[in-house]
Amino acid sequence: KQEVTQIPAALSVPEGENLVLNCSFTDSAIYNLQWFRQDPGKGLTSLLLIQSSQREQTSGRLNASLDKSSGRSTLYIAASQPGDSATYLCAGLQGAQKLVFGQGTRLTINP
Amino acid sequence: NAGVTQTPKFRVLKTGQSMTLLCAQDMNHEYMYWYRQDPGMGLRLIHYSVGEGTTAKGEVPDGYNVSRLKKQNFLLGLESAAPSQTSVYFCASADWDRNQPQHFGDGTRLSIL
Repeated sequence: KQEVTQIPAALSVPEGENLVLNCSFTDSAIYNLQWFRQDPGKGLTSLLLIQSSQREQTSGRLNASLDKSSGRSTLYIAASQPGDSATYLCAGLQGAQKLVFGQGTRLTINP
Repeated sequence: NAGVTQTPKFRVLKTGQSMTLLCAQDMNHEYMYWYRQDPGMGLRLIHYSVGEGTTAKGEVPDGYNVSRLKKQNFLLGLESAAPSQTSVYFCASADWDRNQPQHFGDGTRLSIL
C-alpha cells in the first residue's frame, strides 16, 4: 500500500527566504507526482505535475523534483512572499488515476 | 468556466439522518472522485468513477454510497450519518490523460451532531 509522507508538518520562515518542502513515498510505481496548494477554506489548486519519466518541473518561483529510485520529491520555493502562505500537499498518481496524498505542510511566510 | 462545483458548502446533520452531496463538473472529464479531509490526515479517497454509470470503492468507503448517472455529476450519499463522518468533503475530476492534474471543488463542510 502506497504511503506518502510530508516533512515538516509546519514551517514558518521570514519573507525572502528560499525554502524546500519534502515528500516521500513508499511505492515507486507511480505515474506522476503532483504538488497542490490549499488555502484556508478552499479546495486544492494544482501547482506542478512531474511525470514519472521526468526529473523536475518549474513554474515561476517554484521548482519540483522527483527521484523515483529513492522515493522522494521536493518542492523548492524561491524568494518566498507572504502570499505563499498556504498548505502544500504532494500526491502520487497510481492505477485508475487515483491520487495518494501526504498529510501536507502548512507554510507561513512572515513579513 | 465553473470547473468543479460542490453543493452544499456547509451542512449540519443529526446522527442517523441522511443526505446527498452533489458534485458537478463542466470539463467533460471521464474520472470523478470523492475525498474526505480530516485534520492531520491529508485527503483520503472514498469512492471514484472512471466513467458514466461506473463506481468503485476507494480507501475509506464504509458508510457512503455514490452514483454517476450522468457524466457531469457524481453524487455522494450518507445513508445514516455518524459523528465519525464529520469532515470536509472534496470532489475532483480528471481527464483520461493521466498527465493532466485533477481539478478540485471548494469542499463541503459537514458536521454530524
